[in-house]
Amino acid sequence: TQLLEQSPQFLSIQEGENLTVYCNSSSVFSSLQWYRQEPGEGPVLLVTVVTGGEVKKLKRLTFQFGDARKDSSLHITAAQPGDTGLYLCAGAYFGNEKLTFGTGTRLTIIP
Amino acid sequence: NAGVTQTPKFRILKIGQSMTLQCTQDMNHNYMYWYRQDPGMGLKLIYYSVGAGITDKGEVPNGYNVSRSTTEDFPLRLELAAPSQTSVYFCASSSPGRYEQYFGPGTRLTVT
Repeated sequence: TQLLEQSPQFLSIQEGENLTVYCNSSSVFSSLQWYRQEPGEGPVLLVTVVTGGEVKKLKRLTFQFGDARKDSSLHITAAQPGDTGLYLCAGAYFGNEKLTFGTGTRLTIIP
Repeated sequence: NAGVTQTPKFRILKIGQSMTLQCTQDMNHNYMYWYRQDPGMGLKLIYYSVGAGITDKGEVPNGYNVSRSTTEDFPLRLELAAPSQTSVYFCASSSPGRYEQYFGPGTRLTVT
């Protein structure tokens, strides 16, 4: 079974703090995506990274794809209550349209 | 633009009953997917389709069936509901060669 492990599983921090969420696998991916899911809704894509070592920024969110294309991280600067949600990473394998989703990180930002 | 729509939003089934979860997308996407999400977990792929008339099994297909007669619709059938099928079901769609999957709002199913 191909697995994507995310850590931490749960994270609760105060507004204004910084945090990093990790997504790790023993497999190599052609691309990796990060989604955010709010209660009662489906996941919504935040970013796609496709090149080993790639760094993408989306306002206060910074995404990095590992050099070996096996892992990724999401860093949030100055977290806000609106960042609260379930963060899911998802990897695509070469020549395969299917995604393998990670186990998820449930983030709570306390005002 | 409605995107991906799913019906019903909630459903309670008795053990052994059958039902069909409906999924429709209006983005002319070739690829469609069904996932289940158990409490506190990520998404597991049940079935997927790369075009009308073509379907294939995902990671957890047992107890489910699908059909794809049109580009727009991808219904998921549960024949003999079991408590293990209690979950939230998401339908998604994407275009070939594009990484982003667009998700519907989900169907929360309880089997008792």
